[in-house]
Amino acid sequence: EAQVTQNPRYLITVTGKKLTVTCSQNMNHEYMSWYRQDPGLGLRQIYYSMNVEVTDKGDVPEGYKVSRKEKRNFPLILESPSPNQTSLYFCASSFSGRGYNEQFFGPGTRLTVL
Amino acid sequence: AQKVTQAQTEISVVEKEDVTLDCVYETRDTTYYLFWYKQPPSGELVFLIRRNSFDEQNEISGRYSWNFQKSTSSFNFTITASQVVDSAVYFCALRPATTSGSRLTFGEGTQLTVNP
Repeated sequence: EAQVTQNPRYLITVTGKKLTVTCSQNMNHEYMSWYRQDPGLGLRQIYYSMNVEVTDKGDVPEGYKVSRKEKRNFPLILESPSPNQTSLYFCASSFSGRGYNEQFFGPGTRLTVL
Repeated sequence: AQKVTQAQTEISVVEKEDVTLDCVYETRDTTYYLFWYKQPPSGELVFLIRRNSFDEQNEISGRYSWNFQKSTSSFNFTITASQVVDSAVYFCALRPATTSGSRLTFGEGTQLTVNP
């Protein structure tokens, strides 16, 4: 089954404790992206990747890191999480970065930083 | 810069009523794509439709229809004879067509509640 998976689905952590949210897709997509969803703000892009070893900042990259060492994986790293990073996070992928391509979304990761 | 505005934060209707969700966008790009996504209470994002800026034909899919008007920069979504299962948050989104790596810009979302 074609899908985007994220782990964990739910995470409660404390300020300053490094964490990684994994994202994997099995559709051989070139383009992958991370979004955060906050009430009243919709989804905002954090980082995106056009292909392996090619990443770039989105609208709200502060406090996040990403890497793209393999085509299928695009982990989101929070080196020192803070309470304002409490949010619902979505990973997405598409065939390419061209506008036509529909993005497929993962199930979401709900993160709470205390 | 691009922007998508969904002015209706919440809409509540009674089952079988028709409801229209508004979406207004801003972009400097001449070619672009517009999308609607549904987010049911379970939380996942479900793709509903994609429309390119060259195609202003309205589209109908079952009880769903979309009205794209480039002159007013709007891409509204109508649900006919709404059902309880239509209760969800609906997002409108915009993505430029010409720029590789272009980002998908979302509106704030509209929470639709359909009451029995």
